[in-house]
Parts: sequence; structure tokens; C-alpha cells
Amino acid sequence: NAGVTQTPKFRILKIGQSMTLQCTQDMNHNYMYWYRQDPGMGLKLIYYSVGAGITDKGEVPNGYNVSRSTTEDFPLRLELAAPSQTSVYFCASRRQGLLNTEAFFGQGTRLTVV
Amino acid sequence: DAKTTQPNSMESNEEEPVHLPCNHSTISGTDYIHWYRQLPSQGPEYVIHGLTSNVNNRMASLAIAEDRKSSTLILHRATLRDAAVYYCIPSVRDKIIFGKGTRLHILP
Repeated sequence: NAGVTQTPKFRILKIGQSMTLQCTQDMNHNYMYWYRQDPGMGLKLIYYSVGAGITDKGEVPNGYNVSRSTTEDFPLRLELAAPSQTSVYFCASRRQGLLNTEAFFGQGTRLTVV
Repeated sequence: DAKTTQPNSMESNEEEPVHLPCNHSTISGTDYIHWYRQLPSQGPEYVIHGLTSNVNNRMASLAIAEDRKSSTLILHRATLRDAAVYYCIPSVRDKIIFGKGTRLHILP
């Protein structure tokens, strides 16, 4: 059982380039999340989804886009990379059952924008 | 979302119990209290959650105050591997919002 898988693990982007961070889960979870974590700081929610076709903004959505066409996949798109987007990105998933279900996290994607 | 207050950092000796406090005075009556931890260079991992009663699992215990305005995560016998940032999250609904957490240092 793979859980939550993120690709790539590392990436260096030039300013203005675009890329998609991939996240897939094999637990049939409805809820999926994207977070960023700057060095020495806590996690900030970028976007989340409560099911296929439904996405919503989190705390820091600017500069990012998401889509959720399937239950398994929740890609995060950076259109015009900026140095401020240098961070570690974590994807997570959780099954429906709002108040008392645990979230599972991927191992992260370390992104550097130069 | 309920507001939380946790110490920025704590220290403990290896093989001794650790009590990590969290204040969440604005928690609503139906919100579960969740704890996660993040080991160095890893994604967060679930530790434990509870509603009103104290809870135990293989990783830790959760003691919840009678008025639910505070809780304490208890590691019964800390090891070096327990050095991490511990997050108390008293309101998990559609979103999961992390605070700053408590950085736990374990002294050998």
C-alpha cells in the first residue's frame, strides 16, 4: 500500500518557468490537501479538495492552481515561478468523516526557484 | 477555527515521560482534538486524537481537560526518535490548519 506519493522529490526552477507537482493516493480518500513549508516555519495550506471536481482555497493560494479530476490525483500547478515559492511542498489525504479521521502525508517535494 | 497556544520548544531527557501542553479555549463542543508530529525532513504524521475522554494508543496518550479548553499529549518514555515538532489541532473540519507547534528536544 503506497499511501500518498509525491513526484518529483526535488526540483530546481528558473524564475518564470512553470511546473506541476504531482500527488496521488491509493486509499480512496475524498479529502486531499496541498501545503507549503518554508525553512524553519510551520505548514501553510495552499489548496484543498473534498472530492473529485471540488477544490477550494486555503491560507496561501496566490500563485498556484489545482485540479481534481479523479479521486486519486491532486496536482498542484505553478504557472510563473517566483523565488518566494522556494519551499517544501506536502500533499496529504484523508477519508471522509470530517471530525475524527487522520490525514496521511507524502514525503514532500523540495522546490528551489532561482 | 479554534485558536491554539503551545510552547515554542521543550526539552526532555531520554527515557523519561514528556507532557506537551496545548490550550484551545475557543474549541467547539463537537471538535476533536488532533495531534500530529513532524520528524526532521519528513512530512507530518498523525499521533492521536480525542473528543472528551482520555485516549491511549501505541504512540502516546492524550489527556483532555474536563472543560476541553486544554489538552496534554503524553509520551510515556521519550526516545531520541521522538525529537520532532508536535502540532495540536483542535478543529479539523474540511481544512486542517497547522499552528507553529512545539519543538521537542530529547537529551541523551
